[in-house]
Amino acid sequence: IAGITQAPTSQILAAGRRMTLRCTQDMRHNAMYWYRQDLGLGLRLIHYSNTAGTTGKGEVPDGYSVSRANTDDFPLTLASAVPSQTSVYFCASSREVRGEQFFGPGTRLTVL
Amino acid sequence: GENVEQHPSTLSVQEGDSAVIKCTYSDSASNYFPWYKQELGKRPQLIIDIRSNVGEKKDQRIAVTLNKTAKHFSLHITETQPEDSAVYFCAETGGGNKLTFGTGTQLKVEL
Repeated sequence: IAGITQAPTSQILAAGRRMTLRCTQDMRHNAMYWYRQDLGLGLRLIHYSNTAGTTGKGEVPDGYSVSRANTDDFPLTLASAVPSQTSVYFCASSREVRGEQFFGPGTRLTVL
Repeated sequence: GENVEQHPSTLSVQEGDSAVIKCTYSDSASNYFPWYKQELGKRPQLIIDIRSNVGEKKDQRIAVTLNKTAKHFSLHITETQPEDSAVYFCAETGGGNKLTFGTGTQLKVEL
């Protein structure tokens, strides 16, 4: 693994299903983030983690949950997907809270 | 940071001309202002950032200026080239230690 990766690359999901988006970084960054990107709305923060074992809510947390059991992994779970969660999801990490964020390649999620 | 406004939403310039994108923010505690570039279908990548203890920072053809009194900061790209075509996002980190992004500017550099 080099940098930050996400899986899957894309997914079509039926409404009501549970889905976990995976994010892994090998840079030993303390902070990790999940954003959703929608046309005309830019990047909106869903959840974040400043360090392993802690998480916090961002701008649009409803319907999503995260965990940070270790430094490298930061999965995002949609407990019961709804069509409004159709979006491109980006995971990111940074060495420090107010530092450069490195983004993963993104996951394109479609909820039908 | 709670609110970042970015203008314009689209910008078209001729190759070789300059491009300027402006952002305003509301949180007086904001002290970190990065700019990200996102090419079509790709991930956002940092191109330049500035912290509140400086007013201007340059990196080759790119510069960022910050006016803390007026609460605005700008990205300047000189001698634009076709590969500068992309979406540019400003962002700021306020007292909450989280980045708030602007809504993006689609820059098109025409030959």
